[in-house]
Amino acid sequence: DTGVSQNPRHKITKRGQNVTFRCDPISEHNRLYWYRQTLGQGPEFLTYFQNEAQLEKSRLLSDRFSAERPKGSFSTLEIQRTEQGDSAMYLCASSLGTSKGASTHTQYFGPGTRLTVL
Amino acid sequence: DQQVKQNSPSLSVQEGRISILNCDYTNSMFDYFLWYKKYPAEGPTFLISISSIKDKNEDGRFTVFLNKSAKHLSLHIVPSQPGDSAVYFCAASGSAGGTSYGKLTFGQGTILTVHP
Repeated sequence: DTGVSQNPRHKITKRGQNVTFRCDPISEHNRLYWYRQTLGQGPEFLTYFQNEAQLEKSRLLSDRFSAERPKGSFSTLEIQRTEQGDSAMYLCASSLGTSKGASTHTQYFGPGTRLTVL
Repeated sequence: DQQVKQNSPSLSVQEGRISILNCDYTNSMFDYFLWYKKYPAEGPTFLISISSIKDKNEDGRFTVFLNKSAKHLSLHIVPSQPGDSAVYFCAASGSAGGTSYGKLTFGQGTILTVHP
């Protein structure tokens, strides 16, 4: 299977702890995105990378959140000093960003990491 | 500010009949629209998309219609099957140079239930 993979699938942590999630995109995709989804809502954009460059960050991404994609392949999303409001599904997606047309816009999602902050 | 809205939280249809899921948007800079299907505990799966230069795109049982003047799109599933039961999200993306380029803006989702 060469789809987007995310680890871990589930994470339970105590308030105040730091957590890190990993995303491995589809191998030939140069764009990688992070979204957050809470119950009853659609995914909300957090940030995205083209290769190793972080091109945009949402205002939802507070100072406690940081994302990296050091070699333009996998990405990590770290949340420091977690709060109960951080409990959500964190989704990663990738796309081929260099072509025109459909492939630029179509994003393929991983299975997500469900975070529960106690 | 909800730029993409799915006003029907749920839809129930009989197997074999047509399912019509609706979506409205407010941002006129959106120029590409997508539909995703999501099962519980899984990520969204891409279904079908449409560019703003078209008003219809068809792929098997799935057809997406776009009415730019009304800022409205719909997904038709014919015939509906029990395996289609899932949450359906519409999403929109903007053109290069705009603030919505690259990222997807999603609606809240519609739960589709197809009864045997």
